[in-house]
Amino acid sequence: ETGVTQSPTHLIKTRGQQVTLRCSSQSGHNTVSWYQQALGQGPQFIFQYYREEENGRGNFPPRFSGLQFPNYSSELNVNALELDDSALYLCASSFYRTSGSRQTGELFFGEGSRLTVL
Amino acid sequence: AQKVTQAQTEISVVEKEDVTLDCVYETRDTTYYLFWYKQPPSGELVFLIRRNSFDEQNEISGRYSWNFQKSTSSFNFTITASQVVDSAVYFCALSEARLGDDKIIFGKGTRLHILP
Repeated sequence: ETGVTQSPTHLIKTRGQQVTLRCSSQSGHNTVSWYQQALGQGPQFIFQYYREEENGRGNFPPRFSGLQFPNYSSELNVNALELDDSALYLCASSFYRTSGSRQTGELFFGEGSRLTVL
Repeated sequence: AQKVTQAQTEISVVEKEDVTLDCVYETRDTTYYLFWYKQPPSGELVFLIRRNSFDEQNEISGRYSWNFQKSTSSFNFTITASQVVDSAVYFCALSEARLGDDKIIFGKGTRLHILP
């Protein structure tokens, strides 16, 4: 187990609704990244949060937004859900040093939240 | 633009056989990182290895080994004496890590079946 927990594990929404997914990062980690994994595909980077601010974003529209809290946990919000938003949403935490060497890519993933949009 | 290609969609081998998963990448940057992740049925991605672009030494970790060849832009992964527990989807990935950005580009994955 990585220590990264996500909730809910499964949920079903209808088109046009809004959804909030939650992630608790591993103890000691200060950075959270979110990825979308469609069926049969590799994960796609949505965005990353560091020190409660967005710190990099992939090719996702503004209706995908996020938050990071002082305890480094995070939320992913998706508004105006579309059928193509059906996917496994993965949260990953990491430790980002502000100086010195940087441990790129040592991400610890949760088991994901599987979203189905009908 | 960054791209990771895993040409093998699905592979099946009998237990104890060796198997190699192929990965070819594209990047214009001279500094980048390559990764392999394993995704078991539970869904979480398990980090296996990170290699930076300046380190072309091959690596071995138990039954796992990785062959990084910059000349062919490949980063292949070999499992020796495969076991049923190795059954999973394996992803190769690439990051052009600039300060403040951990965006990782994943390939589409190779589903590996180890048959008893």
